[in-house]
Amino acid sequence: DVKVTQSSRYLVKRTGEKVFLECVQDMDHENMFWYRQDPGLGLRLIYFSYDVKMKEKGDIPEGYSVSREKKERFSLILESASTNQTSMYLCASRRRQTSTGELFFGEGSRLTVL
Amino acid sequence: AQSVSQHNHHVILSEAASLELGCNYSYGGTVNLFWYVQYPGQHLQLLLKYFSGDPLVKGIKGFEAEFIKSKFSFNLRKPSVQWSDTAEYFCAPRGDSNYQLIWGAGTKLIIKP
Repeated sequence: DVKVTQSSRYLVKRTGEKVFLECVQDMDHENMFWYRQDPGLGLRLIYFSYDVKMKEKGDIPEGYSVSREKKERFSLILESASTNQTSMYLCASRRRQTSTGELFFGEGSRLTVL
Repeated sequence: AQSVSQHNHHVILSEAASLELGCNYSYGGTVNLFWYVQYPGQHLQLLLKYFSGDPLVKGIKGFEAEFIKSKFSFNLRKPSVQWSDTAEYFCAPRGDSNYQLIWGAGTKLIIKP
């Protein structure tokens, strides 16, 4: 069974703290994605990675960075967390860059910034 | 650039009722259309997809969707809903660049037992 695992389901951080969200997939997928999900806004793409060490900005990259040193792992970093980054963060993976490929999602990491 | 509109943000139905969730998108070249579902406490998963051929596509759990090119629509349907269909449903057409998806705002469906 395919699996995308996000390291933390729930996190509570303080304003200004550095936050790491990690995502691991076991399907040998080339593409990986970080989205944030907010009520009424659907999913908004933060960053995606075509392959190891490759990354591209999505629609809302400000305040975030990413790292992909290994194919199976894609990390999202909030250098200095702010209250407007309180959200649900979703990681997804997909086999190569194709318009018909299915995205596989993790269960999400709910971040609260106080 | 493509955009997508899901008409209803919340839908409440009784069991056995018929369901239709609207999705309209702006045309932007090759049409690739997806519906994803998120059951309470679970991860998002693919419900069905269309990329060519028969415009009526069938997905998991008895869902289907019809691509109507002239209306730029890809509405999701189910003839008789069950309590277990309670979930949030997202329409996601392919975007213009880099094979990314453009996500609708989602429709929260509640089925009353």
